[in-house]
Amino acid sequence: EVLLLESGGGLVQPGGSLRLSCAASGFTFSSYAMYWVRQAPGKGLEWVSRISGSAATTYYADSVKGRFTISRDNSKNTLYLQMNSLKAEDTAVYFCAKPLPGGNFYPFDNWGQGTLVTVSS
Amino acid sequence: DIVMTQSPDSLAVSLGERATINCKSSQSVLHSSNNKSYLAWYQQKPGQPPKLLIYWASTRESGVPDRFSGSGSGTDFTLTISSLQAEDAAVYYCQQYYSMPLTFGPGTKVDIK
Repeated sequence: EVLLLESGGGLVQPGGSLRLSCAASGFTFSSYAMYWVRQAPGKGLEWVSRISGSAATTYYADSVKGRFTISRDNSKNTLYLQMNSLKAEDTAVYFCAKPLPGGNFYPFDNWGQGTLVTVSS
Repeated sequence: DIVMTQSPDSLAVSLGERATINCKSSQSVLHSSNNKSYLAWYQQKPGQPPKLLIYWASTRESGVPDRFSGSGSGTDFTLTISSLQAEDAAVYYCQQYYSMPLTFGPGTKVDIK
């Protein structure tokens, strides 16, 4: 059974930093690109970032480019999101997600339960 | 960026009746190399992560009831729930995975009438 467990969310002041983690199990972690997707309170889904299985390539939404850094440790089966220069508009539940097998940018067949990040003074 | 739109914003359907949700992409998500539309549908219930229902516009994910079906190609897509059940009350999102950035529609809320 695939399990994705996010942690690291919390309350942070504007301009602050936070690092999210996603512990994965139940599949060959290094064989899959992994993603972060967020959802602001009462709003829709927004893709945030993607990292390839080898960590060689990364992608970011324009809204977080230059402020967020995605990374992974395949020896620990863990995905990370380092978030710096946080803004109020970054307030959201952050989900890590695993794609269907087979190709680039495939849709997400497994999601974590999410971790809430609140940016407020 | 490919912009995804959905209609209606919300709908209320009686139990056992059909629910239809539309999704439109600002450019085609049909890949000429394999003739597949890179379009997925998700269901999200309150307090839960999204659940994948449909991909390749019409392929049902394993374990998804066959009352859920997807259709369409290119830029226009439809999710149909053939006979609405109480547990289908949720928000439904379409998503394109044709190109980066991956983008979602704004969601359609389905309620029970």
